[in-house]
Amino acid sequence: NAGVTQTPKFRVLKTGQSMTLLCAQDMNHEYMYWYRQDPGMGLRLIHYSVGEGTTAKGEVPDGYNVSRLKKQNFLLGLESAAPSQTSVYFCASSYEGDLGEAFFGQGTRLTVV
Amino acid sequence: ILNVEQSPQSLHVQEGDSTNFTCSFPSSNFYALHWYRWETAKSPEALFVMTLNGDEKKKGRISATLNTKEGYSYLYIKGSQPEDSATYLCALSNSGYALNFGKGTSLLVTP
Repeated sequence: NAGVTQTPKFRVLKTGQSMTLLCAQDMNHEYMYWYRQDPGMGLRLIHYSVGEGTTAKGEVPDGYNVSRLKKQNFLLGLESAAPSQTSVYFCASSYEGDLGEAFFGQGTRLTVV
Repeated sequence: ILNVEQSPQSLHVQEGDSTNFTCSFPSSNFYALHWYRWETAKSPEALFVMTLNGDEKKKGRISATLNTKEGYSYLYIKGSQPEDSATYLCALSNSGYALNFGKGTSLLVTP
């Protein structure tokens, strides 16, 4: 039972490069989220989706785009990577939005040099 | 952005001690409060989801209470064990869609 799977686990980018992080869940959850984790900060919401074909901005959306073309996948794109986007990125999914527990992926450690 | 405060920031207890942490939040427009346990090198795992004022939930030696009118939740661990060492996260929702996380309480339990 895979749960929430993030790809890749690690990545190093040069400033200005672009990349896409993939999140896949096999629990048929409607809600999916992208968070970033930085030292001394709580998990901060980047973007979220309440169902296939929908996306919405979270607390820190600038510099990121997302797509939810299929219910099971939620993609996070970095258009032009900046050192400030060095972080650990977590994807999560939930069946009932905030009434249900969130299931997290294992995280993606991204370094932008 | 909701201001979710957790205290203490870190805690070091001896095996067998009981301990508790606090999560404080704005009491207006409350929707749900979550507690997560986050072990090093792993992903956060849900402990409790609480929605009603006065809620009390328990899972083994861990329990939580909720006071939405005054804006706080307590997490209790009875008889702490080394395997309880982790960061405990509190998260608040006032929308039904997205959680606002606190910075967590880091617990270290030594034998």
